[in-house]
Amino acid sequence: DQQVKQNSPSLSVQEGRISILNCDYTNSMFDYFLWYKKYPAEGPTFLISISSIKDKNEDGRFTVFLNKSAKHLSLHIVPSQPGDSAVYFCAASARIQGGSEKLVFGKGTKLTVNP
Amino acid sequence: DVKVTQSSRYLVKRTGEKVFLECVQDMDHENMFWYRQDPGLGLRLIYFSYDVKMKEKGDIPEGYSVSREKKERFSLILESASTNQTSMYLCASSNTGLWEKLFFGSGTQLSVL
Repeated sequence: DQQVKQNSPSLSVQEGRISILNCDYTNSMFDYFLWYKKYPAEGPTFLISISSIKDKNEDGRFTVFLNKSAKHLSLHIVPSQPGDSAVYFCAASARIQGGSEKLVFGKGTKLTVNP
Repeated sequence: DVKVTQSSRYLVKRTGEKVFLECVQDMDHENMFWYRQDPGLGLRLIYFSYDVKMKEKGDIPEGYSVSREKKERFSLILESASTNQTSMYLCASSNTGLWEKLFFGSGTQLSVL
């Protein structure tokens, strides 16, 4: 049972445009969400996160939006740059008391930004 | 600069061999994790550890074991390697305060023939 879903395996955008990566989750206990970026031959790196008490978090060109009622989050990259080309993983955790430290990842979306 | 180091970038082993994957972190992190990444399946948690000599099963622990004798080192052991364990293995560590912010190593691509 896939608790974190990234339904688009790939996305291609033009340099300078907006990239929107989507993520859906099914577990209503999830209350903390993260995005990781992975380049080929490297490990994933943390990009941005959001707590369920917020609906938006911004860091430079990256903004994450959370819609709790829809169990949906999205990552916006504006403007997109060729160096943003990577695989993006959505991840979620349940920070409940006594909850185990298990981060659930989606399958990833490969973003290609064309010059 | 924070660092998680995995001992091998590429490994080729034969079916039935015992395989050790080593991971060392220099950030004094309490938590350490082993994931595998497979095409179309994303990152799946094998084992994690939140303290020395402590270990917890992840989602796919079958065929694997781990060892954490020192805080900075977390080893993944394939007791008898099989072809379905061919994968990219990623080690990560994190602090207890924000445990979800994982720092990953570069990965070990293991091929079992």
